Amino acid sequence: GAVVSQHPSRVICKSGTSVKIECRSLDFQATTMFWYRQFPKQSLMLMATSNEGSKATYEQGVEKDKFLINHASLTLSTLTVTSAHPEDSSFYICSALSGYLDNEQFFGPGTRLTVL
Amino acid sequence: GEDVEQSLFLSVREGDSSVINCTYTDSSSTYLYWYKQEPGAGLQLLTYIFSNMDMKQDQRLTVLLNKKDKHLSLRIADTQTGDSAIYFCAESMETGANNLFFGTGTRLTVIP
Repeated sequence: GAVVSQHPSRVICKSGTSVKIECRSLDFQATTMFWYRQFPKQSLMLMATSNEGSKATYEQGVEKDKFLINHASLTLSTLTVTSAHPEDSSFYICSALSGYLDNEQFFGPGTRLTVL
Repeated sequence: GEDVEQSLFLSVREGDSSVINCTYTDSSSTYLYWYKQEPGAGLQLLTYIFSNMDMKQDQRLTVLLNKKDKHLSLRIADTQTGDSAIYFCAESMETGANNLFFGTGTRLTVIP
């Protein structure tokens, strides 16, 4: 089946630094990728929709200058958390939409970000 | 906005049936999904049901939809230890799994 990877799986950083998370579709092309944030015991919250070659669409309440998304190719989207603070600590999950595999979203394993 | 709720925990004995429940508020939902999340892995789509269906069965999985009560359930027959995971229901108003709204997830623990 379709596989989506994320890198890194875990990252710990100091407050004020920036962190980049990569999301790759390994065996299919994804014109659309999604970025979610998951808090403990809470549901996945959609942060933004990323379309290859165009600007990401952010959900209400998500700061686009804080969470920079780049979807430069059909197999790679990146999320950069800029000037991270402890409240940004969370589990970030990406998914990639296959336009031909019943248009299903395939999810990455997630990245655990801890900001000290 | 959309609100999708699930109970957080469920424990069952191996071999018994598990029933995971989900309620949602948006009556215009088109598709309803069940995903499984194992530790360290991404969400895996288990099954989905179109809103004009009442039931869908796929091997050990049975999905029941009560559209009037906005209630969705997932029944796992003959639950195995490998079924231990977090199960998320999700709803979408669009075809093709765009704009998914997820429940909080139910952690299923299967006791040997």
